[in-house]
Amino acid sequence: KAGVTQTPRYLIKTRGQQVTLSCSPISGHRSVSWYQQTPGQGLQFLFEYFSETQRNKGNFPGRFSGRQFSNSRSEMNVSTLELGDSALYLCASSPRTSGSIGTGELFFGEGSRLTVL
Amino acid sequence: QKEVEQNSGPLSVPEGAIASLNCTYSDRGSQSFFWYRQYSGKSPELIMFIYSNGDKEDGRFTAQLNKASQYVSLLIRDSQPSDSATYLCAVRMIYTGTASKLTFGTGTRLQVTL
Repeated sequence: KAGVTQTPRYLIKTRGQQVTLSCSPISGHRSVSWYQQTPGQGLQFLFEYFSETQRNKGNFPGRFSGRQFSNSRSEMNVSTLELGDSALYLCASSPRTSGSIGTGELFFGEGSRLTVL
Repeated sequence: QKEVEQNSGPLSVPEGAIASLNCTYSDRGSQSFFWYRQYSGKSPELIMFIYSNGDKEDGRFTAQLNKASQYVSLLIRDSQPSDSATYLCAVRMIYTGTASKLTFGTGTRLQVTL
């Protein structure tokens, strides 16, 4: 079974630009979560999507947004990039089904490493 | 107080010894607890999870949970150099029937020496 696929793996942007990151979950997984990982803060929760609906959101500014498509693939967007947005962005999928909150196990992709200059 | 706290380490243990990794959490409503391993430059990978008080064993790994003390630990028996990594503790809160969140600690770096 293929794992979680994230694209692009690496990208460099300048301040003020925007970026879109993509995530394809493990086949059959319908829940997708996004995390930001930095050396100082560790893994910080961005949002969780299930059945094309955002179910939960972390404490990030509105510049961070996301969506999920009917095939469970997800994208996140960061607008007006700041230097502090440089991080590894991790997508994780979970085997959650309708009518169940699931066990919470997250399976991570390799991440998209964003550098903002 | 951080929601999930771990000693950053490094924790150094000799090959073949037992490594003990600890984690405390602040929210008594937390419902399940996860251990992830992250090698340098790689993404986190799930080792195991536990949601009931007591011990849960999986191969060389044992997770221990004490909800009264808000404490969860991971024991690695017969530690190998390949176990050298950062170990992340994560705590799950369920907010509604449809929303949950995993909160991660900043991790403990384990070094297994020859």
